[in-house]
Amino acid sequence: DQQVKQNSPSLSVQEGRISILNCDYTNSMFDYFLWYKKYPAEGPTFLISISSIKDKNEDGRFTVFLNKSAKHLSLHIVPSQPGDSAVYFCAASDLGSSNTGKLIFGQGTTLQVKP
Amino acid sequence: DVKVTQSSRYLVKRTGEKVFLECVQDMDHENMFWYRQDPGLGLRLIYFSYDVKMKEKGDIPEGYSVSREKKERFSLILESASTNQTSMYLCASRYSGTRAEQYFGPGTRLTVT
Repeated sequence: DQQVKQNSPSLSVQEGRISILNCDYTNSMFDYFLWYKKYPAEGPTFLISISSIKDKNEDGRFTVFLNKSAKHLSLHIVPSQPGDSAVYFCAASDLGSSNTGKLIFGQGTTLQVKP
Repeated sequence: DVKVTQSSRYLVKRTGEKVFLECVQDMDHENMFWYRQDPGLGLRLIYFSYDVKMKEKGDIPEGYSVSREKKERFSLILESASTNQTSMYLCASRYSGTRAEQYFGPGTRLTVT
């Protein structure tokens, strides 16, 4: 039972264009969502997060959008750069109900930004 | 900056061996986690600990155990390694507050032959 899904295993975009990575979830108790970036042979690095009380959070070139009614979130990277090429994981937590801090991760999307 | 370190970057073990993976964090975080990452499956939680000597099973605990004797150190133990435990193992820590961010170590690539 995959509670967090990233349905696109890979995405390829041209440098300077927008990258849009998508994530769907099924558990309506999730109240906090995160995006991580991972390079090969390294641990994931926290990128950006959003609380369920918001629908948008922006940090530099990265923006996360949350659509609670559709149980969908997306990460926008504008403009995309070759250094953004990595695997991106979305993750969700139900902090408000459990506070264990457990994260449920999606399968990941490999982003390739071509120069 | 939070620093999470793992004892080995690469490890090769034989089937049936007992394997210890160690993780240390320097930020006085209460919560610590062990995941494994496999292609197409994302990160799956093996065990986590919300305080010293406290532990809970994650989604895939079979074949693993953990130990947390000190706040900064969380160990993952493979009692009898098997080939299906070949994977990337990632440790993470988190301050138990209102934010969910976890901070990860560099990972240990374990190969069981």
